[in-house]
Amino acid sequence: GAGVSQSPSNKVTEKGKDVELRCDPISGHTALYWYRQSLGQGLEFLIYFQGNSAPDKSGLPSDRFSAERTGGSVSTLTIQRTQQEDSAVYLCASSPYGTANYEQYFGPGTRLTVT
Amino acid sequence: DAKTTQPNSMESNEEEPVHLPCNHSTISGTDYIHWYRQLPSQGPEYVIHGLTSNVNNRMASLAIAEDRKSSTLILHRATLRDAAVYYCILLTERGSGYALNFGKGTSLLVTP
Repeated sequence: GAGVSQSPSNKVTEKGKDVELRCDPISGHTALYWYRQSLGQGLEFLIYFQGNSAPDKSGLPSDRFSAERTGGSVSTLTIQRTQQEDSAVYLCASSPYGTANYEQYFGPGTRLTVT
Repeated sequence: DAKTTQPNSMESNEEEPVHLPCNHSTISGTDYIHWYRQLPSQGPEYVIHGLTSNVNNRMASLAIAEDRKSSTLILHRATLRDAAVYYCILLTERGSGYALNFGKGTSLLVTP
């Protein structure tokens, strides 16, 4: 079946511009996670959704970052007034349920470059 | 989440079995043992997970020590495509979602 998809695959933007990153999770998966990975670094958690609500926003690095999920499916991560330190690969993952007994399936990521 | 310890790197010949160890001496009774891997320039990929019993799937086997203080990911016949960084992660069942916390992992080199 279809896996997690993300768009765009690559995004180059100028400093100060806003960007939107999209994630289409696997159908029926109630849990959705956003992470980012900077070059050569580990995975950094950003936000978690269970259905359309976000019980855990603790990883969002600043108020320039926001995310929403609609219809228990598609999610959008928005970064306002982008900065160069926002350059990273943004990864989305979905899971059947938001518990420790289920695996997460990752999308291919969006590579964001802020110039 | 409890801490895990893995070797920084391991090397294997193609078509040979690979045993990737993970120590987790502070594991609690409700922690699940998860393994993920990340191939170069790709997103992480789920491999296998378990709680107490050994587990097998199409990708690998997971052998869990009786005291659960260590586990071993077994790739039965390594291929060049298995060259990746392998992460052993402990997750606690708390019913409110969990975020993966990748440590340094084990970088597996597979040689022809």
